[in-house]
Amino acid sequence: SQQGEEDPQALSIQEGENATMNCSYKTSINNLQWYRQNSGRGLVHLILIRSNEREKHSGRLRVTLDTSKKSSSLLITASRAADTASYFCATGTGNQFYFGTGTSLTVIP
Amino acid sequence: DTAVSQTPKYLVTQMGNDKSIKCEQNLGHDTMYWYKQDSKKFLKIMFSYNNKELIINETVPNRFSPKSPDKAHLNLHINSLELGDSAVYFCASSHRGRDGGKNIQYFGAGTRLSVL
Repeated sequence: SQQGEEDPQALSIQEGENATMNCSYKTSINNLQWYRQNSGRGLVHLILIRSNEREKHSGRLRVTLDTSKKSSSLLITASRAADTASYFCATGTGNQFYFGTGTSLTVIP
Repeated sequence: DTAVSQTPKYLVTQMGNDKSIKCEQNLGHDTMYWYKQDSKKFLKIMFSYNNKELIINETVPNRFSPKSPDKAHLNLHINSLELGDSAVYFCASSHRGRDGGKNIQYFGAGTRLSVL
C-alpha cells in the first residue's frame, strides 16, 4: 500500500515538553503535509514541506524531510494541553493523497 | 461560515438500507474527496472528483456511488449498507495539485455512520 506510517502510534508527555513524531512513506512525492485531528473533528492542515526542502518552521512546529530515507519528522516545542490530538502525515502527487496511520499525542497539564 | 460542510453528522441505520451523505464546499476549490476513517483512525481515500469528473476511484465496493452535481458538491450514496461500512466518512476539498503547493486539503467535520 502507499500510505505512510507514523511513529510512535501514541505519545504522552507533560505540558512544556517537546513532542516528536515521525513519518515514513514509500513512494516519490511532490510534498509532504502534516495534519492534526482533534477528537471527533475533521483534519486540519498544519504545515507543508516540498520535496526540495529539508526543514520548515511554523510557530512551535518544526518539520524535517529526508527524501533519501523517505521520512519526515514533526516537532512540537513547548507543548500545551491544547496540542492533544492525533497527527497525520500525508504524501502524494497531484491529487493522489495517502495518509499515515497517525500518532495520538496526549499532553498532560 | 463553514468551509466544508457535510450532513448528517451522525447516521444510524439498519443493514441493507440505502443512505446518502451530502458535502458542500464554499472555498472555490475544483477538487473534492471522500475518505473513510475506521475505528483505528486509518484514513483511506475513496474517491476524488475534479470539476465534477471522477479522477480517483480506489478499491471501493460499487455499492458506494459518488455524485457531483457541480464543483461545490460531492455527495456519497451507499446502497445495501453492511456492518463493515460503519466508520467516519470525511469529505474534503482542495485546489487541483500541480506544483505541489496548492493541494492542501480542507476537511469537513465528518459523518459517523453506524450500521446495526
